[in-house]
Amino acid sequence: AQSVTQLDSHVSVSEGTPVLLRCNYSSSYSPSLFWYVQHPNKGLQLLLKYTSAATLVKGINGFEAEFKKSETSFHLTKPSAHMSDAAEYFCVVTTGSARQLTFGSGTQLTVLP
Amino acid sequence: SAVISQKPSRDICQRGTSLTIQCQVDSQVTMMFWYRQQPGQSLTLIATANQGSEATYESGFVIDKFPISRPNLTFSTLTVSNMSPEDSSIYLCSGGTAAGDEQFFGPGTRLTVL
Repeated sequence: AQSVTQLDSHVSVSEGTPVLLRCNYSSSYSPSLFWYVQHPNKGLQLLLKYTSAATLVKGINGFEAEFKKSETSFHLTKPSAHMSDAAEYFCVVTTGSARQLTFGSGTQLTVLP
Repeated sequence: SAVISQKPSRDICQRGTSLTIQCQVDSQVTMMFWYRQQPGQSLTLIATANQGSEATYESGFVIDKFPISRPNLTFSTLTVSNMSPEDSSIYLCSGGTAAGDEQFFGPGTRLTVL
């Protein structure tokens, strides 16, 4: 069984300040982990993925995430927020089958001017 | 990444009617899936669309309500039957490849049932 918990339903930051979106996972096997972003009225876009290679994963638009097995976490970070980062972010876990994606509840990121 | 398109992008329908959503994927995709995203919620997998055979439905979803077809590798349809206001959601098609375990998503169909 697998599950994912996004610890914050809403995060608000000022433009130019760091972003931290938290995600904890549970999986019986070695997981693959993803972050997707959904802008208003748009589909989901893959930001980055972890698949048992380097624990620090770099994605698009300056985002990165670090896989910490001891903490069962996969937090998403960005050094400096941009207005265009305002969106819904989903943490997703799978045990390796593209069918068995489990989505977190989502975190709404607001970027203040 | 794979390219996935859906249509319609949105629709407003009357209670009791049905709507068919189309999804087209590029040739990289081998697996196709349908998801529902209710207002303010995360995504829930409805079913896996199987080429040339019946779809595999997740718990809580049935073929009579959500018939799915996949006549070939790159095309699938989802029908939302006998709609009620509770069916108002975004319906997303996604595709996965044999090589990787991520999925690529279409832009979604925003359905409102009055």
